[in-house]
Amino acid sequence: QVQLVESGGGVVQPGRSLRLSCAASGFAFSSFALHWVRQAPGKGLEWVAVMYYDGSDKYYADSVKGRFTISRDNYKNTLYLQLNSLRGEDTAVYYCARASVGAPIDNWGQGTLVTVSS
Amino acid sequence: QLVLTQSPSASASLGASVKLTCTLSSGHITYAIAWHQQHPGKGPRYLMRVNSDGSHSKGDGIPDRFSGSRSGAERYLSISSLQSEDEAEYYCQTWGTGIHVVFGGGTKLTVL
Repeated sequence: QVQLVESGGGVVQPGRSLRLSCAASGFAFSSFALHWVRQAPGKGLEWVAVMYYDGSDKYYADSVKGRFTISRDNYKNTLYLQLNSLRGEDTAVYYCARASVGAPIDNWGQGTLVTVSS
Repeated sequence: QLVLTQSPSASASLGASVKLTCTLSSGHITYAIAWHQQHPGKGPRYLMRVNSDGSHSKGDGIPDRFSGSRSGAERYLSISSLQSEDEAEYYCQTWGTGIHVVFGGGTKLTVL
């Protein structure tokens, strides 16, 4: 069955960096768009970034543009999110999620918590 | 700018029915949306897609008690025969070229 498993979260000081990973299995990884979505404590879902299929197209929310970088390895079936220049407001659970062409998100990971604190 | 509006909270009694609403902003009323369910401390779960013609298609394993519909700019998630495990946060989501993914603010459903 479809599985998305995030890892790499933790406590990090403001201004530092972190890299999140999302290991995928149970589906044709390279055929899907993959998203990162985050959820701050007690808040709703916020879309962060997407990378489409072969990785040529990637897009970011304004709140993370220039600081976060999404990438994927279609051979390792893994999605990444590099988080640089972290701020307190980046504290959240980060989820990876997949979507087909012209379709909504249809599978989610369990999330990994990033806490930005001095 | 495309905005999805949801009521922050809803409640209904055990065994009853409830209809949650997601409203598309002006100029975007033909968009399809999806509904996701999230229990506290868990990742979201995809429930269904509701198309602009009101048809819906559910995710794997979603009970028949869950259904979708629409009226104009509103998209609905209906849950019948409410069970205690239906108590959760429900988010609507849309997508498209240039907007990628947009979420509503979520509705917290309480089963009384």
